[in-house]
Amino acid sequence: GNSVTQMEGPVTLSEEAFLTINCTYTATGYPSLFWYVQYPGEGLQLLLKATKADDKGSNKGFEATYRKETTSFHLEKGSVQVSDSAVYFCALSSQGAQKLVFGQGTRLTINP
Amino acid sequence: DAGVIQSPRHEVTEMGQEVTLRCKPISGHNSLFWYRQTMMRGLELLIYFNNNVPIDDSGMPEDRFSAKMPNASFSTLKIQPSEPRDSAVYFCASSIPGQPNEKLFFGSGTQLSVL
Repeated sequence: GNSVTQMEGPVTLSEEAFLTINCTYTATGYPSLFWYVQYPGEGLQLLLKATKADDKGSNKGFEATYRKETTSFHLEKGSVQVSDSAVYFCALSSQGAQKLVFGQGTRLTINP
Repeated sequence: DAGVIQSPRHEVTEMGQEVTLRCKPISGHNSLFWYRQTMMRGLELLIYFNNNVPIDDSGMPEDRFSAKMPNASFSTLKIQPSEPRDSAVYFCASSIPGQPNEKLFFGSGTQLSVL
């Protein structure tokens, strides 16, 4: 079946550090890939997405590239801020499927 | 738009009691999803509806759980009887017609504690 594996957290960085959160997936066909973010006390929000191989999703300084050869969709940001502290979820949806499959989530804490 | 609205935000109950969680999706969204979030199991899809009809309830853990969507603007998730292992955050989400897997809009969740 379809699945998503994220790097285990928590991840703690200093402000302005470079961020990478790894995500790999298992799926048949050509899934769409997503990163969602959950700020404290809130529901998840879509951060970025990519729908085909080699697409790059980007938003708020975050980027992720759909790599079919490595079945990966790693999240990166060049310079993190305290306000980026949240839980980040990688997710996929298969062609023709309506529901999202989420990874376990990675808690990110940015210290000033 | 007010977004997806869930109530209550917090619920504390005793084992054996009935619990009802409520959700109002975004107006015009025709798909509604119930998720459960725990530390051990992460985010799990329990059930989803299209046009008020349950499509996939394979994630519902057992018969104690039931969900309804009597109309396009309201859904409930009921647990009867509740057990301590049901303690979790329950999220409701809705999505835009036509491309339901492209973007989900989540509510703020209901934190359920069963003592």
